[in-house]
Amino acid sequence: NAGVTQTPKFQVLKTGQSMTLQCAQDMNHNSMYWYRQDPGMGLRLIYYSASEGTTDKGEVPNGYNVSRLNKREFSLRLESAAPSQTSVYFCASSVIGANQETQYFGPGTRLLVL
Amino acid sequence: DAKTTQPTSMDCAEGRAANLPCNHSTISGNEYVYWYRQIHSQGPQYIIHGLKNNETNEMASLIITEDRKSSTLILPHATLRDTAVYYCIVRVTNDYKLSFGAGTTVTVRA
Repeated sequence: NAGVTQTPKFQVLKTGQSMTLQCAQDMNHNSMYWYRQDPGMGLRLIYYSASEGTTDKGEVPNGYNVSRLNKREFSLRLESAAPSQTSVYFCASSVIGANQETQYFGPGTRLLVL
Repeated sequence: DAKTTQPTSMDCAEGRAANLPCNHSTISGNEYVYWYRQIHSQGPQYIIHGLKNNETNEMASLIITEDRKSSTLILPHATLRDTAVYYCIVRVTNDYKLSFGAGTTVTVRA
């Protein structure tokens, strides 16, 4: 049981390049999330997917697109990378129940945009 | 979601209990208190959550005041591996968003 996995672990891009961050979970969770964390800051929600086939904007969606490929996979795409998108990106998944909801996080992707 | 206020940092001696306070004076009746922690360079890790009763699990205890305006996370016997940033979050059940603030940086010293 790997939990939440993310690829790649590290990436360096030039301004204007595009890339897709991959996330997969093997816990049969319905909901998946993408966060970014800038140095010394807390996590900020970019996009989330409450269930397969749905996606919604979070707090900081500009410059990103997402795809919920199936129940297991949720990808984040940067179409034209900018230096302001230099950050650590975390994917998470969860099952939302009647009185509890625990998000499980992946190890993160460290992105540097030059 | 209600906002939370936590101290920026605190130190704790190894083997002693660590008591982490959190204020959430505008919490609503249907909002839960969650605690997560983030060890350096890793993804956040769920610790515990509660509504109004005190809760305990294998990692920690959560004490919520009767008026629910504040809470305390207790790590009963802190170890060096408990050094991390601890986040106190309040959220409504079935709301998909977790709002992370700056958290409390806890340093456990030998």
